[in-house]
Amino acid sequence: GQNIDQPTEMTATEGAIVQINCTYQTSGFNGLFWYQQHAGEAPTFLSYNVLDGLEEKGRFSSFLSRSKGYSYLLLKELQMKDSASYLCAVRLDDYKLSFGAGTTVTVRA
Amino acid sequence: KAGVTQTPRYLIKTRGQQVTLSCSPISGHRSVSWYQQTPGQGLQFLFEYFSETQRNKGNFPGRFSGRQFSNSRSEMNVSTLELGDSALYLCASSPDLGNQPQHFGDGTRLSIL
Repeated sequence: GQNIDQPTEMTATEGAIVQINCTYQTSGFNGLFWYQQHAGEAPTFLSYNVLDGLEEKGRFSSFLSRSKGYSYLLLKELQMKDSASYLCAVRLDDYKLSFGAGTTVTVRA
Repeated sequence: KAGVTQTPRYLIKTRGQQVTLSCSPISGHRSVSWYQQTPGQGLQFLFEYFSETQRNKGNFPGRFSGRQFSNSRSEMNVSTLELGDSALYLCASSPDLGNQPQHFGDGTRLSIL
């Protein structure tokens, strides 16, 4: 089976930084995606990493280390609207997407 | 550009019935994937279609099936519904098979009584 682990919940203060870790042990690897999902809404694409290193997109950055089976999503200058579930997903060798259970981030004023 | 459209948004059925869910992908997208989302299991992959052919299948019983039409629209069917099938069913599309991100619809929330 596929193992994709991320923390269940995280809480942070408005304006702060939060780092969501994702570790994976999967049958093959063809890239890692991060999605954001607000309650009752569809997941929306945030970032994609296939090579080691950091990808930056505005307030959001994602990092990948393939040798360690590790990624993180960094959210900077947190805003209340960032309260959501963040999903880590690995693209397997057969191109299926396997998702972690998601991390619920709560931003407090 | 319109996003991924799923119908219906909400559905209530009873055990033993069957249900068909519909998904219209983003215009020009040829790959459609289906997922089941529940609080306990998260997002579980059901199947992926491309050019009217099932390319990948998840670990779900044969009661779950799907198809894709020549215009890339897809349907998912669940027969002999069980209480445990209550979930949010999400459809996602991408331009083709590969590493492009998938774009999700708002889902169909299925409740089994």
